[in-house]
Amino acid sequence: AQKITQTQPGMFVQEKEAVTLDCTYDTSDPSYGLFWYKQPSSGEMIFLIYQGSYDQQNATEGRYSLNFQKARKSANLVISASQLGDSAMYFCAMRDPDHNQFYFGTGTSLTVIP
Amino acid sequence: EPEVTQTPSHQVTQMGQEVILRCVPISNHLYFYWYRQILGQKVEFLVSFYNNEISEKSEIFDDQFSVERPDGSNFTLKIRSTKLEDSAMYFCASSSFQPNTGELFFGEGSRLTVL
Repeated sequence: AQKITQTQPGMFVQEKEAVTLDCTYDTSDPSYGLFWYKQPSSGEMIFLIYQGSYDQQNATEGRYSLNFQKARKSANLVISASQLGDSAMYFCAMRDPDHNQFYFGTGTSLTVIP
Repeated sequence: EPEVTQTPSHQVTQMGQEVILRCVPISNHLYFYWYRQILGQKVEFLVSFYNNEISEKSEIFDDQFSVERPDGSNFTLKIRSTKLEDSAMYFCASSSFQPNTGELFFGEGSRLTVL
């Protein structure tokens, strides 16, 4: 069964604007972790932000914030003040502690337009 | 800053040949993973490794694949007889003990091309 769903294969955003990348997840476990990774064209996977299922507040890391809506099982990534260097693939992931696995979504390709 | 290192960065091999991809995880991490990514596609889980044994493996991880931690620092992925469809970027990753808060730290990947 699909654990992580990213419904936006590609997104465009104007430089300096904010953009939201969608992610929904599926689990019946009360304890899980949600992550976002960035993959630029060079190929490496860069950790951006983490949200724990018991965290009361939305996670923030600089220009990245995670809009965590537990009841809706969504964990959208918000990038504020987009920069040209933000153009990359973005993957949402969930850690399932019971199965020692990280599940990845299919990714969203973000293009920042000057 | 500690990092996961992978070698080789790129390997070209003939179909049917054996390939070993090497990884040095972050030293105090306990959980190790191999993922692969066919060009332009999603990141696919292959196998996870904990306490010197496989803890989870996917359907992709068939008898042609094996993993080993031969010396307490290296973590290797062996493909016994490569097929064309094994061409992909292979990522090694490690994470800390904390089951929920430990993010995956990825290596830079090993690109395998099977001819």
